[in-house]
Amino acid sequence: DVVMTQSPLSLPVTLGQPASISCRSSQSLVHSDGNIYLTWFQQRPGQSPRRLIYEVSNRDSGVPDRFSGSGSDTDFTLKISRVEAEDVGVYYCMQGVRWPPTFGGGTKVEIK
Amino acid sequence: VQLVESGGGLVQPGGSLRLSCAASGFSFSSHWVGWVRQAPGKGLEWVAHMNPDGSGEDYVDSVKGRFTISRDNAKNALYLQMSNLRAEDTAVYYCGRDPHFRAIDVWGQGTMVTVSS
Repeated sequence: DVVMTQSPLSLPVTLGQPASISCRSSQSLVHSDGNIYLTWFQQRPGQSPRRLIYEVSNRDSGVPDRFSGSGSDTDFTLKISRVEAEDVGVYYCMQGVRWPPTFGGGTKVEIK
Repeated sequence: VQLVESGGGLVQPGGSLRLSCAASGFSFSSHWVGWVRQAPGKGLEWVAHMNPDGSGEDYVDSVKGRFTISRDNAKNALYLQMSNLRAEDTAVYYCGRDPHFRAIDVWGQGTMVTVSS
């Protein structure tokens, strides 16, 4: 299985400051069609996960533009330009290129 | 657009349970759908998924031979039949709509399954 490794495990951030989460895969996530199927999810406390970004950098409808995704091949990053209180939660990356799809272990974003 | 799971509960090791997921607000029969679980305090794990017409399915190794995913497009419903349950199957089970390469864009609220004697 493709192993997804996220860092850091925990990310205390001051309101209004930027945050960055790293996600690395054990294999290339480039599909034979040329696309990269790397997705970011947010899970707020007590809620179901919510998709934020798909195919590395495509932001979902309704997701604030302070969220951005980047990366290629095996190295990916989710950035929050200015953290707000509603951004508290756990963030997961997930690869969908190979079965089974696998998630990173999660990064908990909290306010300092 | 909504997915609503039901059927969770407490079951003894070795027992069986059937989860259901009711879909509404979109063309259910046109989408891949799947189940993802989350053990208490842990991360997310894909369990199974199924193609739009129900002719194809995949499972994570840990549930192969014990879980069966199925769907009824006439009823806009997805199911997960779980048998020979183990303590490590204890989790919240979410159903999800898979628009493309497992990037779930609609999640249910989840249903809790507890396997314990």
